Amino acid sequence: GEDVEQSLFLSVREGDSSVINCTYTDSSSTYLYWYKQEPGAGLQLLTYIFSNMDMKQDQRLTVLLNKKDKHLSLRIADTQTGDSAIYFCAESIRLGRLYFGRGTQLTVWP
Amino acid sequence: DVKVTQSSRYLVKRTGEKVFLECVQDMDHENMFWYRQDPGLGLRLIYFSYDVKMKEKGDIPEGYSVSREKKERFSLILESASTNQTSMYLCASNKAAGRTYNEQFFGPGTRLTVL
Repeated sequence: GEDVEQSLFLSVREGDSSVINCTYTDSSSTYLYWYKQEPGAGLQLLTYIFSNMDMKQDQRLTVLLNKKDKHLSLRIADTQTGDSAIYFCAESIRLGRLYFGRGTQLTVWP
Repeated sequence: DVKVTQSSRYLVKRTGEKVFLECVQDMDHENMFWYRQDPGLGLRLIYFSYDVKMKEKGDIPEGYSVSREKKERFSLILESASTNQTSMYLCASNKAAGRTYNEQFFGPGTRLTVL
């Protein structure tokens, strides 16, 4: 449960949708999280999903969870330049510790 | 408004110096964490603490130690700073929980440069 994988870079045009993918290894993960890090700042929670859900929607954000494949994705609709940041997925297994992926740098071109 | 604060945003130290990074949270959280962040490597856990005076090694504890004398404060210590410890250091906290929802709250980070 300590190997969370995500691609390092994603570039999209403003107004397009962005999809950031993540795979995790521990099927006992109960919650999965997406964090956003803007330049020079700490991480902020963007959204999360409980493991018994397949999908969660929150305004422009859609999280999809495929437990069978241990695959998590974050879709950002109508991506804006302000969405440019690093996005981390994380899984929670035990005792409050989170295991983070390496982060995906999203660049939005005007 | 919940808050995790770190003592410095930027710090420049010389090789061999002893360095203290301080983190304070005002949420009465039991758990506190120290990470370092390097480009392409993501967040790597250095140490964490589940309670006052308790600590556990994370994935990369070598060259670091920690101190948790009070519940709200978690200090990271570099006994003898080296250039390969130049990095962004992030502190986080959350409440004690089993397998329930347990968001970690992060501080703004300390960018440490060791010359």
